[in-house]
Amino acid sequence: QQQVKQSPQSLIVQKGGISIINCAYENTAFDYFPWYQQFPGKGPALLIAIRPDVSEKKEGRFTISFNKSAKQFSLHIMDSQPGDSATYFCAASKSNTGNQFYFGTGTSLTVIP
Amino acid sequence: KAGVTQTPRYLIKTRGQQVTLSCSPISGHRSVSWYQQTPGQGLQFLFEYFSETQRNKGNFPGRFSGRQFSNSRSEMNVSTLELGDSALYLCASSGLGQGGSWQYFGPGTRLTVL
Repeated sequence: QQQVKQSPQSLIVQKGGISIINCAYENTAFDYFPWYQQFPGKGPALLIAIRPDVSEKKEGRFTISFNKSAKQFSLHIMDSQPGDSATYFCAASKSNTGNQFYFGTGTSLTVIP
Repeated sequence: KAGVTQTPRYLIKTRGQQVTLSCSPISGHRSVSWYQQTPGQGLQFLFEYFSETQRNKGNFPGRFSGRQFSNSRSEMNVSTLELGDSALYLCASSGLGQGGSWQYFGPGTRLTVL
């Protein structure tokens, strides 16, 4: 069963707009939540990550919002650019057991100029 | 530092054959994980090796195996290939011994089973 559920499957945003991708998890033992960006023909690249002791983390135009009680986290891309067009994956892991990550199914983002 | 490298980049095999994929992690990284990526199932964890020992294993059949060498390079092997094994196989390395650390992915090996 899918340990991390991601939505939407695809997203189209105008240049300059805000892109929002949501993820939900069930396992409360998860304590590390990264987001990855993948371009065609490339491996995923880590964008930003958060731990449950904070509710928000911002790096440049990328922000993760984390709601521990709801077991949800989301990625916000501010001022979206055509170069942001890619597939985005959320993931979760239990850091005390190593690097076994459970990935969401991905969101294909298209930013229209 | 050089990134994670995977060889070969593309492979075509037929059903019943076996295949070995190779991954060289970032220098100094001791954790290497393998993932299978398909359009239908997304990214699925295969296994993780740390200091030559398998530390975690996903829910894949025993036909999928791996190993790690003393220089942290890793190989994964798939025996008795099936059509459903066609996928992008990704390797990721991490520099920290504990989990919850930055993982760097290679470009993947695209395996096609005919």
